[in-house]
Amino acid sequence: DAGITQSPRHKVTETGTPVTLRCHQTENHRYMYWYRQDPGHGLRLIHYSYGVKDTDKGEVSDGYSVSRSKTEDFLLTLESATSSQTSVYFCAIRGTENSPLHFGNGTRLTVT
Amino acid sequence: TQLLEQSPQFLSIQEGENLTVYCNSSSVFSSLQWYRQEPGEGPVLLVTVVTGGEVKKLKRLTFQFGDARKDSSLHITAAQPGDTGLYLCAGPKGANNLFFGTGTRLTVIP
Repeated sequence: DAGITQSPRHKVTETGTPVTLRCHQTENHRYMYWYRQDPGHGLRLIHYSYGVKDTDKGEVSDGYSVSRSKTEDFLLTLESATSSQTSVYFCAIRGTENSPLHFGNGTRLTVT
Repeated sequence: TQLLEQSPQFLSIQEGENLTVYCNSSSVFSSLQWYRQEPGEGPVLLVTVVTGGEVKKLKRLTFQFGDARKDSSLHITAAQPGDTGLYLCAGPKGANNLFFGTGTRLTVIP
């Protein structure tokens, strides 16, 4: 593994509650990404970061926010979880724009 | 409309058989990547193809990038149960995104 830890690995929460997922890396890589994976949709980019405090939206960013206050941590927050956000969330990192993505093992989130 | 269409969606074969899965697009990509994902884990990069017509081999896996750089294929020779997994192709979209296809889920039966 490329030194990526996602926490928690599993979470069940109720509609309307806030949820924060954490991605921690030990590779000192510049770029960090949050994807969600759903049947029939593949992996879709939520948000990404290209440096500390530098973030941008992906293709499915509505309802999500992110923060990166230090190189090693990238947090994904669902301000008010909805059932449509039930998914498996993957964090990925890479050192440069052209290097391959290295993924964490995912967080399975269920919103009831 | 999917930027990257993968086919077939599901494939179940016997150990020892050969198979080919496809990744097609109407768009030109500067490169394409193939990943394999096993249950409970994140995708792992298998290969990157960057030149039209390029063929790369990884043991029993052969990857080809189309001449027009709009499609790619993955051929597995003499499939083994360890090849079971979700195979994803992905191509760059913009400066910082990688767009993924929906994948081919392969099951190799012993």
